[in-house]
Amino acid sequence: RKEVEQDPGPFNVPEGATVAFNCTYSNSASQSFFWYRQDCRKEPKLLMSVYSSGNEDGRFTAQLNRASQYISLLIRDSKLSDSATYLCVVRAGGFKTIFGAGTRLFVKA
Amino acid sequence: GAVVSQHPSWVICKSGTSVKIECRSLDFQATTMFWYRQFPKQSLMLMATSNEGSKATYEQGVEKDKFLINHASLTLSTLTVTSAHPEDSSFYICSAKGLAGGAEETQYFGPGTRLLVL
Repeated sequence: RKEVEQDPGPFNVPEGATVAFNCTYSNSASQSFFWYRQDCRKEPKLLMSVYSSGNEDGRFTAQLNRASQYISLLIRDSKLSDSATYLCVVRAGGFKTIFGAGTRLFVKA
Repeated sequence: GAVVSQHPSWVICKSGTSVKIECRSLDFQATTMFWYRQFPKQSLMLMATSNEGSKATYEQGVEKDKFLINHASLTLSTLTVTSAHPEDSSFYICSAKGLAGGAEETQYFGPGTRLLVL
């Protein structure tokens, strides 16, 4: 079983749609959780951290469920510019960071 | 914001040559640097973790004699792919951990280096 699993997609959605991604992790000792965005042929960029209480940043909402060991990302009112691969990232102690394989999102006009 | 640079951004080389990739943290001191590799449509895979002045810690399956890492200063780490072969062709990304104006240490990624071995 992979340490971090994501649905690879692709998710094809129209502009304005709401889309949600889930990610599961296997290491119950994981301490920090993040969503990164990676555009084609570019490095990953931090989108947002994920906190136990859930957090929101504009159109993006991230949630963590430690009991079930999954995190989620909700994107509301999708824009064309949201098209990218979204990486679920889990970190155990010592900054060892495990990346999911990513979920591809295509937002269509 | 914090910047991590990599050089070169693109490398094309013949099989058997060695390739050196530099990773620099431009406006902060990186206590730890990480090297990742990403094959097409796959996730980033951590290759090694290096702390300034000490030997790198390699992940299982990564040959330390093939991927030489030098973390000579708090702002520079280098990855040398020795005797590169076509299967080493990949996207190599470095990452630096440090305090860059924030209250918490954060991980920042370089722009990546594309290596193509012919």
